[in-house]
Amino acid sequence: DVKVTQSSRYLVKRTGEKVFLECVQDMDHENMFWYRQDPGLGLRLIYFSYDVKMKEKGDIPEGYSVSREKKERFSLILESASTNQTSMYLCASFPRDSAYEQYFGPGTRLTVT
Amino acid sequence: GIQVEQSPPDLILQEGANSTLRCNFSDSVNNLQWFHQNPWGQLINLFYIPSGTKQNGRLSATTVATERYSLLYISSSQTTDSGVYFCAVEREWNNNDMRFGAGTRLTVKP
Repeated sequence: DVKVTQSSRYLVKRTGEKVFLECVQDMDHENMFWYRQDPGLGLRLIYFSYDVKMKEKGDIPEGYSVSREKKERFSLILESASTNQTSMYLCASFPRDSAYEQYFGPGTRLTVT
Repeated sequence: GIQVEQSPPDLILQEGANSTLRCNFSDSVNNLQWFHQNPWGQLINLFYIPSGTKQNGRLSATTVATERYSLLYISSSQTTDSGVYFCAVEREWNNNDMRFGAGTRLTVKP
């Protein structure tokens, strides 16, 4: 029944480290998203992808990059982690023509020390 | 960009009570959804409701698009209703620009 999985539930990294967050969906969805969630700010869109090898910047792309080499996998990369990137990261996917059928992963709580 | 405001930010209820959560948005929208994030962080889509009223068990939602607000009603609340409720809107349908509110944190006490 699991539809969207994320590689880690909790992650602790040091400042300056390169961090990879993986998201995998098994529903053959075209669209995949990365959000970060912070108290009082809700969910903010970092990057999204509407097809393999395609990517678009969201509201807060600075300090992040993404990779989508396969349809089912969307990776979020923190090139050089900083303490202000400590947050909950959520991945979501939905099919091309059905925006209301969004499925979210369980989230990765990243702490950068 | 479009602004989304949710109220109240926090709500504490006794089990069995009813509640109303509100979402105001600053522009016309073609997509509005309510999500529930459980205490373990999992986000579940509750309603897709750009206009009108829908009901699903003890939950119902109403969106008045012309007045730019949506309401989520929870009746006979249960402890499992605890969590954060998010409203999210999209100005144009499926343009991949969904904006979330800050959420309402609901705690239902036994």
